[in-house]
Amino acid sequence: AQSVTQLGSHVSVSEGALVLLRCNYSSSVPPYLFWYVQYPNQGLQLLLKYTTGATLVKGINGFEAEFKKSETSFHLTKPSAHMSDAAEYFCAVSAIQGAQKLVFGQGTRLTINP
Amino acid sequence: DARVTQTPRDKVTEMGQEVTMRCQPILGHNTVFWYRQTMMQGLELLAYFRNRAPLDDSGMPKDRFSAEMPDATLATLKIQPSEPRDSAVYFCASGLAGGPHEQFFGPGTRLTVL
Repeated sequence: AQSVTQLGSHVSVSEGALVLLRCNYSSSVPPYLFWYVQYPNQGLQLLLKYTTGATLVKGINGFEAEFKKSETSFHLTKPSAHMSDAAEYFCAVSAIQGAQKLVFGQGTRLTINP
Repeated sequence: DARVTQTPRDKVTEMGQEVTMRCQPILGHNTVFWYRQTMMQGLELLAYFRNRAPLDDSGMPKDRFSAEMPDATLATLKIQPSEPRDSAVYFCASGLAGGPHEQFFGPGTRLTVL
């Protein structure tokens, strides 16, 4: 079984500051890992995904995440926050070999201060 | 621009009424997922189809909810009778079996049951 823990339901940073959203997962089998973003009144949009290979994954809008197997983490970062980054972010895990269901974390709401 | 579409976008109904939500997956996708999102529970998987066959509906209240795929271009989620606790945003997502489990989300149906 898989599970995801997102540390911090709310994160607030200043415009131009580093964004760090934390995600730890639990999986008994090798995982696929995802970050999705949800803007108000919209569906979830894929930011980036880790499947196999390079552990540093680059996504859209300047975001990246690093898969650290030893720490069971997949933290999301962006060097410089922009006002348009304000949204809710979800980390998700899926088992490579198995059903294609995604298990989502509870989400982290990111606020950007001017 | 391939995307998942959902109708209606908003639905307000009275307790006891039947509600039907529709989803058109991305053409060529053969997996469809229904999720419910609430503030308290976050994102919950209700049902999952592959090649139009239901693979998992364990997240769905069986007595009042039903999900079907009449054909490859249409998925439906029905609630009968509806209750105020069903008020939530319902998302449909589609993907490709055998791929890296990426799911593409629709814009959601916001359901309010009075």
